[in-house]
Amino acid sequence: QLVLTQSPSASASLGASVKLTCTLSSGHSTYAIAWHQQQPEKGPRYLMKLNSDGSHSKGDGIPDRFSGSSSGAERYLTISSLQSEDEADYYCQTWGTDIVVFGGGTKLTVL
Amino acid sequence: EVHLLESGGGLVQPGGSLRLSCAASGFTFSSYAMNWVRQAPGKGLEWVSGIRGSGGSTYYADSVKGRFTISRDNSKNTLYLQLNSLRAEDTAVYYCAKAVVAAGTAPLDYWGQGTLVTVSS
Repeated sequence: QLVLTQSPSASASLGASVKLTCTLSSGHSTYAIAWHQQQPEKGPRYLMKLNSDGSHSKGDGIPDRFSGSSSGAERYLTISSLQSEDEADYYCQTWGTDIVVFGGGTKLTVL
Repeated sequence: EVHLLESGGGLVQPGGSLRLSCAASGFTFSSYAMNWVRQAPGKGLEWVSGIRGSGGSTYYADSVKGRFTISRDNSKNTLYLQLNSLRAEDTAVYYCAKAVVAAGTAPLDYWGQGTLVTVSS
């Protein structure tokens, strides 16, 4: 079964960097994912598509502070030079035959 | 600029029906698969349904299969979701989202602002 696992919460200081993790279920380690950001009271926003080899393509207008990387079944989103507007929920998404799957989301707090 | 605008949400009794619409602009609508994703109050994102650009194939989450129907009118650049036999657990904000490809499932690269569906007596 295709499942994505995310930690419920993360925190980091203003100006620092943070690395969020999304883990693919067993047998699905080669799958690509997408990262989405949801700021409070807003609809989600596409950040990037991230492949198993770590290559990624970002959405329109996404700052260079956002980057992605991969290792085995883990997919990472790194946000550098954290700003207050980065405080949001972050979701990973993947897809299979006739199905789309979301992780449970990570709530990022900027201290 | 891509723009997705959902409408049709509201308060409905358990067992009732509702039709959601999503008006799309800023891209060649028929060239991309479209999806519906929902978010219950205080919860995460849950994929509901998807449809190919041609409309020829549709996909559903098990939680809504047999109750919800996705469709599209490419001449009107509009996506629809028919919600039947509604339950309290269907209460959520419903988002439409564009996929990056025409066929099959894929990353979702643009989202609307959502429309709230409340199922309650």
